[in-house]
Parts: sequence; structure tokens; C-alpha cells
Amino acid sequence: DGGITQSPKYLFRKEGQNVTLSCEQNLNHDAMYWYRQDPGQGLRLIYYSQIVNDFQKGDIAEGYSVSREKKESFPLTVTSAQKNPTAFYLCASNLVTAENTEAFFGQGTRLTVV
Amino acid sequence: AQSVAQPEDQVNVAEGNPLTVKCTYSVSGNPYLFWYVQYPNRGLQFLLKYITGDNLVKGSYGFEAEFNKSQTSFHLKKPSALVSDSALYFCAVRDMRDSWGKLQFGAGTQVVVTP
Repeated sequence: DGGITQSPKYLFRKEGQNVTLSCEQNLNHDAMYWYRQDPGQGLRLIYYSQIVNDFQKGDIAEGYSVSREKKESFPLTVTSAQKNPTAFYLCASNLVTAENTEAFFGQGTRLTVV
Repeated sequence: AQSVAQPEDQVNVAEGNPLTVKCTYSVSGNPYLFWYVQYPNRGLQFLLKYITGDNLVKGSYGFEAEFNKSQTSFHLKKPSALVSDSALYFCAVRDMRDSWGKLQFGAGTQVVVTP
């Protein structure tokens, strides 16, 4: 099956810890994105990438880091500098061609600080 | 800069009645417009998109949306709502000139369909 896989589904972080959220896609999409979802705020863009070894900051990149070592993978690290990390995190990918412009989403990771 | 407004936090409708979820947008260039649906603790599922051409777009599960350039709106509609349509709906816009494919989302509208 083609799609986007996020893991884990649930993640608990202690204060001061870094945690990494996994996102893998087998759709052969060039572009990948990380969004954060908070109640009543919609989705906000954290980081995005269009090619291997290149990525750009989104609207709320502070306290987060990413890597893009392979086309299929775009892991997100939530660092201890992110003061309010509890949220639902969504990874997406996109072909970004003129006609095929809808993004496909993973099932999300719910991160909770304990 | 681009933005999306979904003016209603929640829409309540009885099963069998028409459903409308409102969306207005602002974008510098020409827009690509999308509707997604989200069920609890799940990712977003694509419903439909407007790229170009006919202003009335038909999508999955009987949903449709009408692009109105003069009113900068892209309202989602379904002629007869089902209880299973109860979910969180997001409108999103992308500037056609944005080669990165970045989407700007609205805050979402919770749809509650009662039997």
C-alpha cells in the first residue's frame, strides 16, 4: 500500500528531553511537511522540504529540527527548547506538480509532556 | 501572505438536511483551494480541490464546493447529511505561484449531524 506512515501514534516526553517523530512515505513525493495541530488553531507549518538535504523553516520552527537524508524520510525532533510541545503532529507529502497538488497526510503523532 | 477564515467553530445539522461549511480565503496570486476532513485522532483526508475550470467541484462522499472568485469563497456543501459526516473539516489555500506547495489552513469547523 502506498502512503505516509507516522510513528509512534502516542509519545510521552519528560521535561527537558528531546524526542524524534518518524515520518516515512512510499509515494515518491518530493515535498514533505510537518504541521502542528492545536485545538481551535488549525494546522500550523513547522518545517518543509522539497529535496534531499534541503529544508526550510515554516511559521513555527522554533524549538524544532528536521533532517532529510532520504527522499522517503523526514523525521522531526522536538527539542527541549520547545516550551509547549504538547500537541498533535501531522506529516504530509505532495508531488507539487501543476495538476497533482493535494497533500497526503499521515495518521499523526500525539505528543504529551509528562 | 495567504489566509483562510472558517467563520463557524461548529455547524449543527439534522441527518438528511443540507450541510454547508463556509470558507473564505485571501491570497496574493490565484488560489488552489482544498477541503479536508479529520476524524478524532486521525490524519486529514482529502475531500476535493479547485485548481482551475468549473467553479463547482465534486468530491468524495457526495461533497461538493463552489469557488466564487468575487467573494473569495469556497464553501463546502452536501445535499443530505449523514451522521457519519460528523467530523472536523478544514479549508486550505495555496498560492498557485508557490512552488513549495505550502498550504494555509483555516481553524477548522466541527460538524455535528444528529439522527
